[in-house]
Amino acid sequence: GAVVSQHPSRVICKSGTSVKIECRSLDFQATTMFWYRQFPKQSLMLMATSNEGSKATYEQGVEKDKFLINHASLTLSTLTVTSAHPEDSSFYICSAGQGGGAFFGQGTRLTVV
Amino acid sequence: GEDVEQSLFLSVREGDSSVINCTYTDSSSTYLYWYKQEPGAGLQLLTYIFSNMDMKQDQRLTVLLNKKDKHLSLRIADTQTGDSAIYFCAETYNQGGKLIFGQGTELSVKP
Repeated sequence: GAVVSQHPSRVICKSGTSVKIECRSLDFQATTMFWYRQFPKQSLMLMATSNEGSKATYEQGVEKDKFLINHASLTLSTLTVTSAHPEDSSFYICSAGQGGGAFFGQGTRLTVV
Repeated sequence: GEDVEQSLFLSVREGDSSVINCTYTDSSSTYLYWYKQEPGAGLQLLTYIFSNMDMKQDQRLTVLLNKKDKHLSLRIADTQTGDSAIYFCAETYNQGGKLIFGQGTELSVKP
């Protein structure tokens, strides 16, 4: 299947700082990528749809100024968690579609201390 | 709104078959997916089925879709300890698009 790579896999940051997470489609181009958040022992919740060359579409209740998304190329989308707080600690995971399948990155475990 | 439901836990013995069930509400779903998630890891796409199919088989995995009842199942034959993980079903109306996930079924395989 298609490969989606996410970086970093794990990050610890201080409260008030910003963290950038990268999502790359390695062997295909993706005009659309998706960012999800997963709390421990829970399912995935869609945060936003990242659109290449245009603004991201955010789900209801997700602060767009808090979670900045940039999709500057057909193979890269970034999620920046700005002014992170402990409640932002979570598992963030991206996906991109190819040939009917939806493929996920490895996920990023963010811990804000 | 759209909703996807799964039972939370399933325990089987090694060598037995496992059947994980999922129900969904959105009749416009066109693709239905099964993912496997091991602790601390991302999601691995196991298989997916298009809504005009009733069954799809891939080695030890068999997916059954009853579109009338909006019921999807994943059967794992000859379940191994390495199959222990959380299994998510998900649906979308747009291929490769945003997915609506079930809560996940934690499969425990005992030797």
